[in-house]
Amino acid sequence: LAKTTQPISMDSYEGQEVNITCSHNNIATNDYITWYQQFPSQGPRFIIQGYKTKVTNEVASLFIPADRKSSTLSLPRVSLSDTAVYYCLVGDIMTGGFKTIFGAGTRLFVKA
Amino acid sequence: EAGVTQFPSHSVIEKGQTVTLRCDPISGHDNLYWYRRVMGKEIKFLLHFVKESKQDESGMPNNRFLAERTGGTYSTLKVQPAELEDSGVYFCASSQDGVSGRNEQFFGPGTRLTVL
Repeated sequence: LAKTTQPISMDSYEGQEVNITCSHNNIATNDYITWYQQFPSQGPRFIIQGYKTKVTNEVASLFIPADRKSSTLSLPRVSLSDTAVYYCLVGDIMTGGFKTIFGAGTRLFVKA
Repeated sequence: EAGVTQFPSHSVIEKGQTVTLRCDPISGHDNLYWYRRVMGKEIKFLLHFVKESKQDESGMPNNRFLAERTGGTYSTLKVQPAELEDSGVYFCASSQDGVSGRNEQFFGPGTRLTVL
Protein backbone atom coordinates (compact mmCIF):
# COMPACT_ATOMS: atom_id res chain seq x y z
CA LEU A 1 0.00 0.00 0.00
CA ALA A 2 1.24 3.46 -0.88
CA LYS A 3 2.84 5.42 1.94
CA THR A 4 1.80 9.03 2.31
CA THR A 5 3.73 12.04 3.53
CA GLN A 6 2.09 15.17 4.88
CA PRO A 7 3.26 18.22 6.84
CA ILE A 8 3.07 17.57 10.56
CA SER A 9 1.27 20.80 11.35
CA MET A 10 -0.09 23.99 9.83
CA ASP A 11 -1.43 27.22 11.25
CA SER A 12 -4.04 29.45 9.67
CA TYR A 13 -6.43 32.26 10.49
CA GLU A 14 -10.18 32.30 10.28
CA GLY A 15 -11.48 33.10 6.82
CA GLN A 16 -8.36 31.97 4.99
CA GLU A 17 -8.11 29.18 2.46
CA VAL A 18 -5.99 26.27 3.64
CA ASN A 19 -4.22 23.87 1.30
CA ILE A 20 -2.72 20.67 2.66
CA THR A 21 -0.55 18.70 0.29
CA CYS A 22 0.07 14.99 0.54
CA SER A 23 2.77 13.03 -1.30
CA HIS A 24 2.13 9.46 -2.39
CA ASN A 25 4.86 8.63 -4.88
CA ASN A 26 4.10 4.91 -4.96
CA ILE A 27 0.39 5.18 -5.63
CA ALA A 28 -0.94 2.22 -7.62
CA THR A 29 -3.22 2.33 -10.65
CA ASN A 30 -6.29 1.21 -8.72
CA ASP A 31 -5.70 3.41 -5.67
CA TYR A 32 -8.06 6.20 -4.71
CA ILE A 33 -7.09 9.14 -2.51
CA THR A 34 -9.18 9.81 0.56
CA TRP A 35 -9.00 12.51 3.21
CA TYR A 36 -10.32 12.21 6.74
CA GLN A 37 -10.70 14.76 9.52
CA GLN A 38 -10.41 13.93 13.19
CA PHE A 39 -11.32 15.99 16.23
CA PRO A 40 -10.07 15.10 19.71
CA SER A 41 -11.93 12.21 21.35
CA GLN A 42 -13.75 11.36 18.12
CA GLY A 43 -13.26 8.89 15.31
CA PRO A 44 -12.01 10.07 11.92
CA ARG A 45 -14.64 11.55 9.61
CA PHE A 46 -14.62 11.24 5.82
CA ILE A 47 -14.10 14.52 3.99
CA ILE A 48 -13.51 13.78 0.33
CA GLN A 49 -12.29 11.11 -2.06
CA GLY A 50 -10.99 11.21 -5.60
CA TYR A 51 -9.04 9.40 -8.30
CA LYS A 52 -7.80 12.14 -10.61
CA THR A 53 -8.14 15.82 -11.55
CA LYS A 54 -10.48 17.71 -9.24
CA VAL A 55 -13.26 16.73 -6.89
CA THR A 56 -15.39 19.21 -4.99
CA ASN A 57 -18.06 18.78 -2.37
CA GLU A 58 -19.77 21.01 0.13
CA VAL A 59 -16.83 21.16 2.50
CA ALA A 60 -13.64 20.82 0.47
CA SER A 61 -11.92 20.39 -2.87
CA LEU A 62 -9.36 17.80 -3.80
CA PHE A 63 -6.81 18.50 -6.50
CA ILE A 64 -4.92 15.59 -8.04
CA PRO A 65 -2.29 16.19 -10.77
CA ALA A 66 -1.98 13.96 -13.79
CA ASP A 67 0.82 11.83 -12.32
CA ARG A 68 -1.24 11.29 -9.12
CA LYS A 69 1.90 11.29 -7.01
CA SER A 70 0.49 13.98 -4.79
CA SER A 71 -2.83 15.54 -3.88
CA THR A 72 -3.96 18.75 -2.25
CA LEU A 73 -6.89 19.16 0.08
CA SER A 74 -8.29 22.67 -0.09
CA LEU A 75 -10.48 24.02 2.70
CA PRO A 76 -12.12 27.32 1.74
CA ARG A 77 -12.52 30.02 4.40
CA VAL A 78 -11.64 27.98 7.46
CA SER A 79 -13.20 28.63 10.82
CA LEU A 80 -12.07 27.85 14.35
CA SER A 81 -14.06 24.62 14.22
CA ASP A 82 -11.84 23.34 11.41
CA THR A 83 -9.02 22.89 13.90
CA ALA A 84 -8.37 19.17 13.68
CA VAL A 85 -6.02 16.52 12.35
CA TYR A 86 -6.33 15.79 8.63
CA TYR A 87 -5.28 12.43 7.22
CA CYS A 88 -4.47 11.57 3.63
CA LEU A 89 -4.86 7.91 2.68
CA VAL A 90 -4.53 5.91 -0.51
CA GLY A 91 -5.95 2.49 -1.27
CA ASP A 92 -7.87 0.32 -3.69
CA ILE A 93 -11.56 0.79 -2.92
CA MET A 94 -12.88 -1.43 -5.65
CA THR A 95 -12.39 -4.66 -3.74
CA GLY A 96 -15.25 -4.15 -1.36
CA GLY A 97 -13.37 -2.09 1.15
CA PHE A 98 -9.69 -1.52 1.65
CA LYS A 99 -7.12 -1.71 4.34
CA THR A 100 -6.77 1.86 5.45
CA ILE A 101 -3.35 3.00 6.52
CA PHE A 102 -3.23 6.21 8.51
CA GLY A 103 -0.10 8.24 8.64
CA ALA A 104 0.68 10.88 11.24
CA GLY A 105 -1.71 13.35 9.65
CA THR A 106 -1.50 17.13 9.55
CA ARG A 107 -2.54 19.02 12.63
CA LEU A 108 -4.30 22.19 11.48
CA PHE A 109 -4.69 24.97 14.01
CA VAL A 110 -7.02 27.81 13.05
CA LYS A 111 -6.58 31.02 14.97
CA ALA A 112 -8.99 33.92 15.41
CA GLU B 1 -29.76 7.15 10.56
CA ALA B 2 -27.69 5.93 13.49
CA GLY B 3 -23.95 5.97 13.08
CA VAL B 4 -21.40 3.44 14.18
CA THR B 5 -21.64 2.84 17.90
CA GLN B 6 -19.09 1.36 20.24
CA PHE B 7 -19.36 0.04 23.75
CA PRO B 8 -18.03 0.75 26.26
CA SER B 9 -16.70 4.25 25.74
CA HIS B 10 -14.08 3.67 28.41
CA SER B 11 -12.71 0.57 30.08
CA VAL B 12 -10.14 0.30 32.82
CA ILE B 13 -8.86 -3.17 33.63
CA GLU B 14 -5.88 -4.76 35.28
CA LYS B 15 -3.16 -6.61 33.48
CA GLY B 16 -4.17 -10.20 32.91
CA GLN B 17 -7.88 -9.54 32.81
CA THR B 18 -10.15 -9.96 29.82
CA VAL B 19 -12.00 -7.20 28.03
CA THR B 20 -14.54 -7.38 25.23
CA LEU B 21 -15.24 -4.39 23.04
CA ARG B 22 -18.36 -4.19 20.94
CA CYS B 23 -19.05 -2.40 17.67
CA ASP B 24 -22.41 -1.94 16.00
CA PRO B 25 -21.93 -0.85 12.40
CA ILE B 26 -24.35 1.17 10.32
CA SER B 27 -27.21 -1.06 9.25
CA GLY B 28 -26.61 -2.60 5.85
CA HIS B 29 -22.84 -2.08 5.85
CA ASP B 30 -21.12 -5.30 4.93
CA ASN B 31 -17.63 -4.03 5.69
CA LEU B 32 -16.50 -3.65 9.28
CA TYR B 33 -13.03 -2.61 10.39
CA TRP B 34 -11.17 -2.43 13.67
CA TYR B 35 -8.32 0.01 14.30
CA ARG B 36 -6.44 1.14 17.32
CA ARG B 37 -4.26 4.01 18.37
CA VAL B 38 -1.82 3.48 21.17
CA MET B 39 -0.45 6.50 23.01
CA GLY B 40 1.52 8.81 20.76
CA LYS B 41 1.30 6.50 17.78
CA GLU B 42 -0.62 6.49 14.52
CA ILE B 43 -3.96 4.82 13.99
CA LYS B 44 -3.25 1.23 13.02
CA PHE B 45 -5.44 -1.16 11.08
CA LEU B 46 -6.29 -4.38 12.92
CA LEU B 47 -8.69 -6.29 10.71
CA HIS B 48 -11.49 -6.14 8.17
CA PHE B 49 -14.69 -8.17 8.02
CA VAL B 50 -16.87 -8.60 4.98
CA LYS B 51 -20.14 -9.71 6.48
CA GLU B 52 -19.15 -12.46 8.90
CA SER B 53 -15.89 -13.39 7.17
CA LYS B 54 -12.46 -12.05 8.03
CA GLN B 55 -11.17 -10.49 4.83
CA ASP B 56 -7.89 -9.26 6.25
CA GLU B 57 -6.59 -9.76 9.78
CA SER B 58 -2.99 -8.90 9.06
CA GLY B 59 -3.00 -6.09 11.58
CA MET B 60 -3.92 -8.17 14.61
CA PRO B 61 -0.93 -7.87 16.94
CA ASN B 62 -0.98 -11.36 18.45
CA ASN B 63 -3.20 -14.25 19.46
CA ARG B 64 -4.41 -12.45 22.57
CA PHE B 65 -6.77 -10.57 20.28
CA LEU B 66 -9.88 -12.28 18.94
CA ALA B 67 -12.43 -10.59 16.72
CA GLU B 68 -15.78 -12.04 15.79
CA ARG B 69 -18.75 -10.93 13.77
CA THR B 70 -21.41 -13.56 14.12
CA GLY B 71 -24.26 -13.17 11.67
CA GLY B 72 -22.54 -10.33 9.91
CA THR B 73 -23.99 -7.66 12.16
CA TYR B 74 -22.21 -6.39 15.26
CA SER B 75 -18.63 -7.31 16.04
CA THR B 76 -16.70 -7.96 19.21
CA LEU B 77 -13.00 -7.63 19.87
CA LYS B 78 -11.75 -9.58 22.86
CA VAL B 79 -8.39 -9.07 24.47
CA GLN B 80 -7.34 -11.97 26.69
CA PRO B 81 -5.23 -11.61 28.73
CA ALA B 82 -4.74 -7.86 28.50
CA GLU B 83 -1.25 -6.41 28.72
CA LEU B 84 -0.09 -2.89 29.52
CA GLU B 85 0.82 -2.19 25.89
CA ASP B 86 -2.77 -2.86 24.83
CA SER B 87 -3.83 0.48 26.29
CA GLY B 88 -5.12 2.88 23.68
CA VAL B 89 -8.20 3.87 21.74
CA TYR B 90 -9.92 1.20 19.67
CA PHE B 91 -11.93 2.44 16.72
CA CYS B 92 -14.47 0.58 14.68
CA ALA B 93 -15.60 1.65 11.22
CA SER B 94 -18.04 0.36 8.65
CA SER B 95 -18.63 0.91 4.96
CA GLN B 96 -20.79 -0.24 2.11
CA ASP B 97 -19.50 -2.28 -0.77
CA GLY B 98 -16.68 -0.40 -2.50
CA VAL B 99 -17.76 -1.63 -5.90
CA SER B 100 -20.02 1.41 -6.10
CA GLY B 101 -16.91 3.46 -6.71
CA ARG B 102 -16.55 5.06 -3.34
CA ASN B 103 -15.48 3.66 -0.03
CA GLU B 104 -16.35 5.98 2.80
CA GLN B 105 -15.61 4.46 6.13
CA PHE B 106 -17.80 5.69 8.97
CA PHE B 107 -15.98 5.61 12.25
CA GLY B 108 -17.36 5.14 15.71
CA PRO B 109 -16.27 7.32 18.64
CA GLY B 110 -13.83 4.71 19.88
CA THR B 111 -13.34 2.79 23.10
CA ARG B 112 -10.57 4.02 25.36
CA LEU B 113 -8.92 1.03 26.99
CA THR B 114 -6.60 1.47 29.94
CA VAL B 115 -4.70 -1.52 31.25
CA LEU B 116 -3.17 -1.00 34.69
